[in-house]
Amino acid sequence: AQSVTQPDIHITVSEGASLELRCNYSYGATPYLFWYVQSPGQGLQLLLKYFSGDTLVQGIKGFEAEFKRSQSSFNLRKPSVHWSDAAEYFCAVGERAGSYQLTFGKGTKLSVIP
Amino acid sequence: GAVVSQHPSRVICKSGTSVKIECRSLDFQATTMFWYRQFPKQSLMLMATSNEGSKATYEQGVEKDKFLINHASLTLSTLTVTSAHPEDSSFYICSAPREGLHGYTFGSGTRLTVV
Repeated sequence: AQSVTQPDIHITVSEGASLELRCNYSYGATPYLFWYVQSPGQGLQLLLKYFSGDTLVQGIKGFEAEFKRSQSSFNLRKPSVHWSDAAEYFCAVGERAGSYQLTFGKGTKLSVIP
Repeated sequence: GAVVSQHPSRVICKSGTSVKIECRSLDFQATTMFWYRQFPKQSLMLMATSNEGSKATYEQGVEKDKFLINHASLTLSTLTVTSAHPEDSSFYICSAPREGLHGYTFGSGTRLTVV
């Protein structure tokens, strides 16, 4: 079964600083990978996804992520964080066949200092 | 883009009553719907998978008699929390995969509070 690990429970950065959120996955083949953002009390918004091809994926709001097969990682990055980026971020892995089940990591809470 | 409409967004109910949550795909056919539960400060945990026209598949530890799932049409899946208790208070979210995994469309979630 697939699994997702987000090692950092809570990260605090200053506004304007760069950001990297870590995600490691376990899956028997090349997975579908996703990053979602959730503001308090809200649903999920897709930031970006990787299915195949270029391993550097661009998303919305200036986010990008890089798929590294050798490290089983899909880390999320942003060069300059804005106060509005404060939220909970979830990495997820999806099955390529069968039930297409999506498995989430435990999330990383991002706080931004003005 | 594809939209899954989920309602109600918030519901408060008394202990022992039942609550129905609806997820409706507005511009596509959702043959599969995933139902997730998210407790405060925790991740989303898959509860069950519903498939149109067949019985839902429940994850281990989820009581199928308590969380009734119906997927009677290609555009509507419902989750009914029966005999709700305070420990059922949570954030429930539905999600439909689309077009061979070109995306998952999430509902906006339902905040259930059982008092």
